Amino acid sequence: AQSVTQLDSQVPVFEEAPVELRCNYSSSVSVYLFWYVQYPNQGLQLLLKYLSGSTLVESINGFEAEFNKSQTSFHLRKPSVHISDTAEYFCAVTAASGGSYIPTFGRGTSLIVHP
Amino acid sequence: KAGVTQTPRYLIKTRGQQVTLSCSPISGHRSVSWYQQTPGQGLQFLFEYFSETQRNKGNFPGRFSGRQFSNSRSEMNVSTLELGDSALYLCASSQGQGGTEAFFGQGTRLTVV
Repeated sequence: AQSVTQLDSQVPVFEEAPVELRCNYSSSVSVYLFWYVQYPNQGLQLLLKYLSGSTLVESINGFEAEFNKSQTSFHLRKPSVHISDTAEYFCAVTAASGGSYIPTFGRGTSLIVHP
Repeated sequence: KAGVTQTPRYLIKTRGQQVTLSCSPISGHRSVSWYQQTPGQGLQFLFEYFSETQRNKGNFPGRFSGRQFSNSRSEMNVSTLELGDSALYLCASSQGQGGTEAFFGQGTRLTVV
């Protein structure tokens, strides 16, 4: 079984400041990792994912996340946030093999960007 | 390509009633999963259907059930509603393989009064 811990339930930040949303996971098998974003009254949308290869993955809107196997982390970062980045962010993990491919989600981190 | 469609978007029901929610997945996707989202518990997995068969099940009571039709559309039913069933119910479709992206609908907001 896998589990995901998002260490911060809420992260307030000013516009144009950098931000890091933390995610740690636990799994007995190798994993795939995902970040999803949820805007108010919407479903979740995939932001980025790590399957294999380069440990640094990027999204089209400036977010990036780095897979750190030794620290079992997949933190999400953005060097300069915008008001429109205000949303709920979910980290998720699935087994790469030998386990469930159903995503296990963290509790979510609410990113609040202030002008 | 049309996205995942959930109907209705909003529902208000009374305790003890039952409710059926519908989900139309992305064309070609055979896997449909259901999640319950609440402020207190976050996103909790209910069950997954693949090719009309329940393939995975979360830790929810038997009052929560579902089915999938031959065209991959899925329904979720909750019987004998309780106040604690008030939540956003999300449906996600995917190709049903490891590493593939789950595409979510906008959800059905169920309020039990």
